[in-house]
Amino acid sequence: TAGITQAPTSQILAAGRSMTLRCTQDMRHNAMYWYRQDLGLGLRLIHYSNTAGTTGKGEVPDGYSVSRANTDDFPLTLASAVPSQTSVYFCASSETGWTAGANVLTFGAGSRLTVL
Amino acid sequence: GEDVEQSLFLSVREGDSSVINCTYTDSSSTYLYWYKQEPGAGLQLLTYIFSNMDMKQDQRLTVLLNKKDKHLSLRIADTQTGDSAIYFCAAWKIKAAGNKLTFGGGTRVLVKP
Repeated sequence: TAGITQAPTSQILAAGRSMTLRCTQDMRHNAMYWYRQDLGLGLRLIHYSNTAGTTGKGEVPDGYSVSRANTDDFPLTLASAVPSQTSVYFCASSETGWTAGANVLTFGAGSRLTVL
Repeated sequence: GEDVEQSLFLSVREGDSSVINCTYTDSSSTYLYWYKQEPGAGLQLLTYIFSNMDMKQDQRLTVLLNKKDKHLSLRIADTQTGDSAIYFCAAWKIKAAGNKLTFGGGTRVLVKP
C-alpha cells in the first residue's frame, strides 16, 4: 500500500539523549512535513521541505533539525531531547507545497515520543 | 497570523446528524479542509472546499462555508459509531513568504449507540 512509513511507532527517551524519527514516502511527493500533535493544540508544523535538497522552518522548529537528501526520506532529529518534546509526531507529504490549488496532505501513522 | 479554532468535544447519538464547527481568522485563506483522525492513526482527508464555494456535499458529508463570518462547518448525516474520531479543520493560505496550512485544535466526536 502506497503511503508514508514512520519509525519508530513509539519510543521512550532520556532527557539529553538524541533521537532520529524516520519518515519514508513512496508516492514521489515533492513536499514533506513534520508536525507535532499536542492535546488541545492541534498540529503544529516543525519543519518542512518543498523539494529534495531544501528545508524550511515551521512554527515550532527549536530543538529539531531535518534533512532532505532525496525525495523519499525526511528524518527528524532531536539533538538533545527535553521533556517538552514529549508528543506525537506526524510526518506528512503532498504533491507540491507551492501549489495555488488544494494542497492535500497524506499523513503517516505517527511516532509517539516520551522524554523523561 | 492565521488562527483556526474548534470546539473540543461533541457527543451525538447514532443515526442523528453531527455538526462540527470551525472559525478561522484569515479571510484570504483559499482552501479549507476537514481531516479525520481515528485512534492511533494519522490524519486522513475527508473533504475540502475552495473559498469561492458556499457548500460542498459528498455522500453523508456536507461542508458549509460562510466567508463573511469566516465560519466553516462539517455536517455528518446519519452518524455511525465508525464516525467516532477527532476531526480537524485546516486553512490553506498562499503567501509570498511561503504557503501555510494551519490546523485547528481538533473536535473529538463521540457517537453513542
